[in-house]
Amino acid sequence: EDKVVQSPLSLVVHEGDTVTLNCSYEVTNFRSLLWYKQEKKAPTFLFMLTSSGIEKKSGRLSSILDKKELFSILNITATQTGDSAVYLCAVPYPGGSQGNLIFGKGTKLSVKP
Amino acid sequence: NAGVTQTPKFQVLKTGQSMTLQCAQDMNHEYMSWYRQDPGMGLRLIHYSVGAGITDQGEVPNGYNVSRSTTEDFPLRLLSAAPSQTSVYFCASSGALVRNTGELFFGEGSRLTVL
Repeated sequence: EDKVVQSPLSLVVHEGDTVTLNCSYEVTNFRSLLWYKQEKKAPTFLFMLTSSGIEKKSGRLSSILDKKELFSILNITATQTGDSAVYLCAVPYPGGSQGNLIFGKGTKLSVKP
Repeated sequence: NAGVTQTPKFQVLKTGQSMTLQCAQDMNHEYMSWYRQDPGMGLRLIHYSVGAGITDQGEVPNGYNVSRSTTEDFPLRLLSAAPSQTSVYFCASSGALVRNTGELFFGEGSRLTVL
């Protein structure tokens, strides 16, 4: 069965901490792995990863993929209260459009002042 | 920039009623889809469309119908609402860039309660 598993499901940290969110996957014909951030409403795109060992960065956020071990991590350094959100990991269903995604349950991050 | 617009934002239905959730995008995206989000379940794909006149089922299509008569619009119809369809529904779209970036653009969601 194709699936995406995220851990932890929730996390509480203080401003300035560094956090690591985990995503493991099992899918036939892997093509890519995506990270989204969901605050109160719509998920917004963060990264797409296709190649092992190549880090994607955007400001204080970075992500890397390990295709051998079938997982990805999302790092957030120097966390701020604005980083509080649910972080979603997803992979495309085998075959068909890359827009058809299998999502994990998400990691709810709470950053306290 | 309107992006992906969903209406209504909130709706309460009685069991057995029918309704349509509207979704419109102004980015000329060929791909559109509907997901539902339930506590503890994550987002699950209901139906999707890769262009006008083309629709297909996702993971959880039962109880829902879709059509795609124009590039802009992708309505989701609940034929006979059931309490199990209580959820938050998200419409998403993507253009040709999805093949390079994986980016889906989501609407702000429609919260549906079925009593």
